Amino acid sequence: RKEVEQDPGPFNVPEGATVAFNCTYSNSASQSFFWYRQDCRKEPKLLMSVYSSGNEDGRFTAQLNRASQYISLLIRDSKLSDSATYLCVVNDPGSARQLTFGSGTQLTVLP
Amino acid sequence: NAGVTQTPKFRILKIGQSMTLQCTQDMNHNYMYWYRQDPGMGLKLIYYSVGAGITDKGEVPNGYNVSRSTTEDFPLRLELAAPSQTSVYFCASSFPRTGLRTSTDTQYFGPGTRLTVL
Repeated sequence: RKEVEQDPGPFNVPEGATVAFNCTYSNSASQSFFWYRQDCRKEPKLLMSVYSSGNEDGRFTAQLNRASQYISLLIRDSKLSDSATYLCVVNDPGSARQLTFGSGTQLTVLP
Repeated sequence: NAGVTQTPKFRILKIGQSMTLQCTQDMNHNYMYWYRQDPGMGLKLIYYSVGAGITDKGEVPNGYNVSRSTTEDFPLRLELAAPSQTSVYFCASSFPRTGLRTSTDTQYFGPGTRLTVL
């Protein structure tokens, strides 16, 4: 079983749509959770951390369910500029602040 | 503040050649990492360092070596390049701190080096 699993997509949605991505992780001891964004041929960049109580940053909402080991990202009112690959990332509690990356979910927002 | 920088941006190697991928960060981060990303795949950790003089293997270290003589620099050495090492290589750094949008584990990435081995 992969440590961090994501639906690879692609998700093709019209501008203005709401889209949700899901992710599951296998290590119940993980404590830090993130969504990173990766544009085509670019480096990953932090989109947002995910907190236990859920958190929102503008049009983006992240949720964490520790019991189910499940993380979600909701994007409201999609923009063309949201087109990217979204990486679900979980810390490895074993050592050295290591992170485990999902393979990513590809989103294309269509005009 | 340039963040994490990597050189070169692109490189083509012949089988059996060697090269060093450079990574420098100016954020005074303790932790540094090297990843590779194959097409359509997630990032895999090659090596990491928790401070100058300390390095350790990640998930896929075979065929690579690293050193960390200073806080700023973390070069990755490829000896005897093979086609299986064709990939995009990312360097990242982190520093244990908290903030409104950052946690102790947030990593900051360089722009990557695209390597092709023919």
